[in-house]
Amino acid sequence: DTEVTQTPKHLVMGMTNKKSLKCEQHMGHRAMYWYKQKAKKPPELMFVYSYEKLSINESVPSRFSPECPNSSLLNLHLHALQPEDSALYLCASSLYRASEKLFFGSGTQLSVL
Amino acid sequence: DQQVKQNSPSLSVQEGRISILNCDYTNSMFDYFLWYKKYPAEGPTFLISISSIKDKNEDGRFTVFLNKSAKHLSLHIVPSQPGDSAVYFCAASLNRDDKIIFGKGTRLHILP
Repeated sequence: DTEVTQTPKHLVMGMTNKKSLKCEQHMGHRAMYWYKQKAKKPPELMFVYSYEKLSINESVPSRFSPECPNSSLLNLHLHALQPEDSALYLCASSLYRASEKLFFGSGTQLSVL
Repeated sequence: DQQVKQNSPSLSVQEGRISILNCDYTNSMFDYFLWYKKYPAEGPTFLISISSIKDKNEDGRFTVFLNKSAKHLSLHIVPSQPGDSAVYFCAASLNRDDKIIFGKGTRLHILP
């Protein structure tokens, strides 16, 4: 299994909603990432989990809350988002470090109304 | 300040010819470089990488060249095929920082 699975594929939410994005990998990777990508822009790193501990938070607003329940799962909890948060949210994993190759999921296309 | 630059937003190449995608970087401490390919509505897919101690890495139709003195790398695809039409991201990493920095991407169109 060489896949990173993200659900849902599409999400529309209002500014007062609470929702969660889910990511799963069964490759035994010990590092997992959340990226945000706007149209025609490169992926921007949000969070890094290494061995289930948050190791990097790229000054992301607190309305985004990551969680790593175990080594295979990564969640991103969303609350009180703004329309400018609409983007493709990508989960990725790597064996140990980001400097190795990343395996990306297909992403969740999020629209905030 | 952009540390990884892809100055060509798009490139069109005839099928069967060579595609050359370019990337420049500013931080001489980068120790690993990667290329990713992205189709619409999908996540990026790893293509090929090169360590800063090498100047060339080849994998099938894909070759990456690294010129450290010029802080420049390029991806050569030969021969180009229709399925190569995608956005290509150059990326660089600093091992100690455990982060990858992406360029803005180049959209490659393979023409029939």
